[in-house]
Amino acid sequence: AQKVTQAQTEISVVEKEDVTLDCVYETRDTTYYLFWYKQPPSGELVFLIRRNSFDEQNEISGRYSWNFQKSTSSFNFTITASQVVDSAVYFCALREGRSNQGGKLIFGQGTELSVKP
Amino acid sequence: EPEVTQTPSHQVTQMGQEVILRCVPISNHLYFYWYRQILGQKVEFLVSFYNNEISEKSEIFDDQFSVERPDGSNFTLKIRSTKLEDSAMYFCASSVGGGTGELFFGEGSRLTVL
Repeated sequence: AQKVTQAQTEISVVEKEDVTLDCVYETRDTTYYLFWYKQPPSGELVFLIRRNSFDEQNEISGRYSWNFQKSTSSFNFTITASQVVDSAVYFCALREGRSNQGGKLIFGQGTELSVKP
Repeated sequence: EPEVTQTPSHQVTQMGQEVILRCVPISNHLYFYWYRQILGQKVEFLVSFYNNEISEKSEIFDDQFSVERPDGSNFTLKIRSTKLEDSAMYFCASSVGGGTGELFFGEGSRLTVL
């Protein structure tokens, strides 16, 4: 069965610190997709990144970077030089590739990041 | 930039009443979804919809729930007889592809059942 675990419920950092949000997933599929979404206090879900299971290359986008390691079933997200605007709940999610009629996303519990000035 | 829009943003209803939540997905998207998030909890899948029929649904999506795309643009979620535990944020989402594409979410409709 597929499952996503975000063990960190809350993280609090001071502005300009680096912070890593952990995500561990379980799936029996060889083809799958991993996502990160941001949910700011306003409540909407903002797409950040998608990764497929065949692409383990790490990705950097500005202050954001993602480390995908199939050997440990992890897809961790790092924010470098955090800012107050990064304060939000971050969700990791898994989508299995065998579903070709609209594969559902399985979300983790979310990590609430609080960046203090 | 195209976006998914949802109405109403907040609805308060009495237990036992019917509620319809509306969504306008991104125009060239073919797959539509409803998710729900009970306050402070994770986002849970309810249902996916493709080619005018339900393609997958969760255990949460029981006979009280139904979805339809009545006019080719709107995608609605109906809760027939609301219960207190239906109080949650309901997110509509759409995607171009079914297995690979990212989901774009609306801003959510907060349902409060009294």
